[in-house]
Amino acid sequence: EVQLVESGGGVVQPGGSLRLSCAGSGFTFDDYSLHWVRQVPGKGLEWVSVISGDGLWIFYADSVKGRFTISRDNSKKSLYLQMNSLRTEDTALYHCAKKRCAGTGRCSGMDVWGHGTTVTVSS
Amino acid sequence: DIQMTQSPSSLSASVGDTVTITCRASQTVDTYLNWYQQNPGKAPKLLIYDASTLQGGVPSRFSASGSGTDFSLTISNLQPEDSATYFCQHSYNFPHTFGQGTKLEIK
Repeated sequence: EVQLVESGGGVVQPGGSLRLSCAGSGFTFDDYSLHWVRQVPGKGLEWVSVISGDGLWIFYADSVKGRFTISRDNSKKSLYLQMNSLRTEDTALYHCAKKRCAGTGRCSGMDVWGHGTTVTVSS
Repeated sequence: DIQMTQSPSSLSASVGDTVTITCRASQTVDTYLNWYQQNPGKAPKLLIYDASTLQGGVPSRFSASGSGTDFSLTISNLQPEDSATYFCQHSYNFPHTFGQGTKLEIK
C-alpha cells in the first residue's frame, strides 16, 4: 500500500523552530516529487513547498520563503520540512503529498496524502 | 501567483440531484487543473486531474471539464457519501494554488 505518514508536529512559541518528517512506503520514493500542503482547521488548503525526487529543484510559497526549508533523504524514504522563525499564522495541519507522476515533467495532481501533523504556534 | 476562485462557497442538494461547482483561474492554467474531495478529519482525495480525467476508483458520477481559466466539476445522482468539501487546484506553475473550497451538504 502506498502510504505517507507525517510526524514532528507540536506546540512552539512564536519565533521558534520545528522539524516535520514524512515517511513514505509502497512506492519508489526517489522517483517522485513531494509536496507539503497545510490547512488551518476549518479553512482551505495552502500549498507550501515542493522538492523533486533527486532533491535538485525546490519551490516555496512566498509566505514561507526564507523561513522554511524542504529536504529529503531518499535512503531513508523520508521528506522533511524545517520550519524556523515560526509565526502564529503558521498554525495548521501539515500534510505531505506525492506528485501523481514520476519524474520532473509537468503532471497534474497529488494522488497520495498523509493524514497530517499539527503545528501550533502560540505563546 | 495564479489565484483560484471557486463558486459557490457552499451548497445543499438532495440525494439523486446533480450539482456543479465552478473554478476560475486568474490566468490560464491550460488543463493543469485538479479537483479534490475532503471529508472532515481526513486528507484530501484526488478526484480529477488534467481538468477532466477521473482518478482511478472515483465513481463515474463525477465529471469535470474546462480549459484555460474556466473549469467545472459536476456530480450527478448525488449520494450521501458525496457530502464533503471540494477544492480545485492548478498545477500549471508554482505555487500550486488551491481554490477556497466548496462545502456540499446532502439534505
